[in-house]
Amino acid sequence: GAVVSQHPSRVICKSGTSVKIECRSLDFQATTMFWYRQFPKKSLMLMATSNEGSKATYEQGVEKDKFLINHASLTLSTLTVTSAHPEDSSFYICSARVGTTPSEQYFGPGTRLTVT
Amino acid sequence: AQSVTQLGSHVSVSEGALVLLRCNYSSSVPPYLFWYVQYPNQGLQLLLKYTSAATLVKGINGFEAEFKKSETSFHLTKPSAHMSDAAEYFCAVSDRSRGEYGNKLVFGAGTILRVKS
Repeated sequence: GAVVSQHPSRVICKSGTSVKIECRSLDFQATTMFWYRQFPKKSLMLMATSNEGSKATYEQGVEKDKFLINHASLTLSTLTVTSAHPEDSSFYICSARVGTTPSEQYFGPGTRLTVT
Repeated sequence: AQSVTQLGSHVSVSEGALVLLRCNYSSSVPPYLFWYVQYPNQGLQLLLKYTSAATLVKGINGFEAEFKKSETSFHLTKPSAHMSDAAEYFCAVSDRSRGEYGNKLVFGAGTILRVKS
């Protein structure tokens, strides 16, 4: 149980294009999903927190107009990197949490984005 | 604000030897603490968590960690390393706030564990 998937696992796009990454909770309903970014040999940085049916809350320094998050259902959240640039190349990981109890988050396998 | 410090970005042990990965935290409120493992190009898998029950927490794959409030530490140990333990390990802290936007995880920088045969 508690499986989170991400699609695609890898994507290469040209500079200036937009890329959408999907995060799905496969066997549970996730009231809250988180999006992280992981730079090479670095830790995870929380980008935003999203709850189903409401606007995402972005962390300080994260451009909300560049990283669009939609949490349309209890099993799906999407992150769209708009007008991607090479500096957006990174490993993006989502996680999902059930309810509001401070339990662990279930992480997806990550998406490797390369912008050329 | 909460923070996590993992001492040692790389730790190397021999197969069968004790594994000790260090984690110190800073938190103005009693924290929840977690250890996650990440294999290359994969997401994170929870090893164990401390949520204010027993201070010695046992996790998967033979790992355990002890919460020491006086030392603000939550070090991860395993008595005997296996080759399959080679991975990157992250310590994380969160607060106890409930609600939609509470309980965010703050991660340490990670420790890469190498296991020598």
